[in-house]
Amino acid sequence: GIQVEQSPPDLILQEGANSTLRCNFSDSVNNLQWFHQNPWGQLINLFYIPSGTKQNGRLSATTVATERYSLLYISSSQTTDSGVYFCAVVQAGTALIFGKGTTLSVSS
Amino acid sequence: DTAVSQTPKYLVTQMGNDKSIKCEQNLGHDTMYWYKQDSKKFLKIMFSYNNKELIINETVPNRFSPKSPDKAHLNLHINSLELGDSAVYFCASANTRFGTGELFFGEGSRLTVL
Repeated sequence: GIQVEQSPPDLILQEGANSTLRCNFSDSVNNLQWFHQNPWGQLINLFYIPSGTKQNGRLSATTVATERYSLLYISSSQTTDSGVYFCAVVQAGTALIFGKGTTLSVSS
Repeated sequence: DTAVSQTPKYLVTQMGNDKSIKCEQNLGHDTMYWYKQDSKKFLKIMFSYNNKELIINETVPNRFSPKSPDKAHLNLHINSLELGDSAVYFCASANTRFGTGELFFGEGSRLTVL
């Protein structure tokens, strides 16, 4: 089956710093989503982005489907950005397959 | 109004017991899922239903039985609970089959088996 690799596994930032999270996948996909799991365990949809670039406030994402990767950019990080960021992909006929996540800690 | 809601949010039970988790979505979606998140935060698909029909059944012990009375509800029943069943179970829904549409998750149900 498809492999989803996220990097880095852990990231520690000071408030105000910028960061880039990466998601590599091993085969072509029909869907790619980024999620944030907050410290209370909720899975929050960030982006539905099978290809192209999207922006939402301080967050943006780019997926280059032909090169099988996606990037999540977080600018001017805040303590509320802490948590685990998951990339998940779908191939035709399957369900969303998750990477192992990037754990982000933002300190003030 | 919560889009995907699960009950209960917490279950604590003894080994060998049977328990159920209920899920309801008010998004009008046709497809619903159960995912399991283990202690290392890894999320894995268990089942998927499209309009009450089982379409994905990963290698899950047959002690786990999903039931979908209608396309807005997907329940998970677990028989003879084992220590290894302790996890957070997430329900999700999407408006297309096989996950090609955006997936929305419930808040999770944390199961602890003692």
